[in-house]
Amino acid sequence: EADIYQTPRYLVIGTGKKITLECSQTMGHDKMYWYQQDPGMELHLIHYSYGVNSTEKGDLSSESTVSRIRTEHFPLTLESARPSHTSQYLCASLKTGGNTGELFFGEGSRLTVL
Amino acid sequence: KNQVEQSPQSLIILEGKNCTLQCNYTVSPFSNLRWYKQDTGRGPVSLTIMTFSENTKSNGRYTATLDADTKQSSLHITASQLSDSASYICVVYDRGSTLGRLYFGRGTQLTVWP
Repeated sequence: EADIYQTPRYLVIGTGKKITLECSQTMGHDKMYWYQQDPGMELHLIHYSYGVNSTEKGDLSSESTVSRIRTEHFPLTLESARPSHTSQYLCASLKTGGNTGELFFGEGSRLTVL
Repeated sequence: KNQVEQSPQSLIILEGKNCTLQCNYTVSPFSNLRWYKQDTGRGPVSLTIMTFSENTKSNGRYTATLDADTKQSSLHITASQLSDSASYICVVYDRGSTLGRLYFGRGTQLTVWP
């Protein structure tokens, strides 16, 4: 079972609010990712990190920001939420070594902005 | 053009029937290919991993095949169950680049009817 946790699982907030989605993993993985996924649609990479103090933007432009101060923690922040940010956000970490390349996903944070 | 193409986009089958999902990729170099299952509202979970030298691998009722020459993989589900209803995502991992890279298909949405 994957040891990667996301909170909150569900969040409903008003426009203009600042929110932080938390993601923590206890597997010691250096590489972590944030994906955005609308219902029934594919995953889009919005941020990734290859280790502490390393963060990069992904393929899909996002107004969110991330930080990686500790290996196990990779929070995502929206400074001013808008209805267009309504989506599911999935955090993942990558097990490397050998030829594995296995992603472990959290359960997701479903955000609704009113 | 997406480097990982999945077909069909969606599929409906009756409980107890078999089905096969397809994944074609152009990613090169290639390290491994994984099939993930994503239940509605949950994070994806790895089902199988196929490396370059492997042709077939089974995980219970799931059997994955890989033809590295034609760059095609399939996921065969035997005796489908209602719990098989999910999105199945093909992910190709290229560890050849310095930082490693993951390529996602758009997924096949499988619905199993009683």
